[in-house]
Amino acid sequence: QKEVEQNSGPLSVPEGAIASLKCTYSDRGSQSFFWYRQYSGKSPELIMFIYSNGDKEDGRFTAQLNKASQYVSLLIRDSQPSDSATYLCAVNLGRSGYALNFGKGTSLLVTP
Amino acid sequence: KAGVTQTPRYLIKTRGQQVTLSCSPISGHRSVSWYQQTPGQGLQFLFEYFSETQRNKGNFPGRFSGRQFSNSRSEMNVSTLELGDSALYLCASRLLAGGSNEQFFGPGTRLTVL
Repeated sequence: QKEVEQNSGPLSVPEGAIASLKCTYSDRGSQSFFWYRQYSGKSPELIMFIYSNGDKEDGRFTAQLNKASQYVSLLIRDSQPSDSATYLCAVNLGRSGYALNFGKGTSLLVTP
Repeated sequence: KAGVTQTPRYLIKTRGQQVTLSCSPISGHRSVSWYQQTPGQGLQFLFEYFSETQRNKGNFPGRFSGRQFSNSRSEMNVSTLELGDSALYLCASRLLAGGSNEQFFGPGTRLTVL
């Protein structure tokens, strides 16, 4: 069974702080990695994807991939109360197309 | 541009029945994927269709099946419903052109099996 593991949280950070979320995966052959955000009662929406080792930045979000240690992380700078949501990590298991294997998500709470 | 639409939004069925869910992708999107979301198991991949062909399949029993039509619309069928099939079923579509990697999710169909 190819696993994607996330700490369920809740992770609580004060407004303006950096929120750090981490996800580990078991399939060493995985090539593409995704972070989704899901608000309560809503559908997931893509925040970022990353393919290569290292960091990828998009606005307040930075994704970090370390294939040797098999983890991907998401940093949210200057956290806002509107960032309070469940963050889902996903790994594409499909050799062609998409077969996203999702972690169970980390609940983030940003307190004013 | 209209988003991914799913019908119906809510369904109540009894054990042993079968159900068909429908998904219309964003115009121009050719890949459609289906997911099951439950509080206990989270979001789990069911299958992906592209050009009317199933390209990837998750680890679900054969009671779960799907198909895609020439206009990219997709249907998912669950036969012989079990209580554990109660879940939110999400459909997602993807463009598959211009290097786009974003998969857009629909609002989901909430299935309750009694």
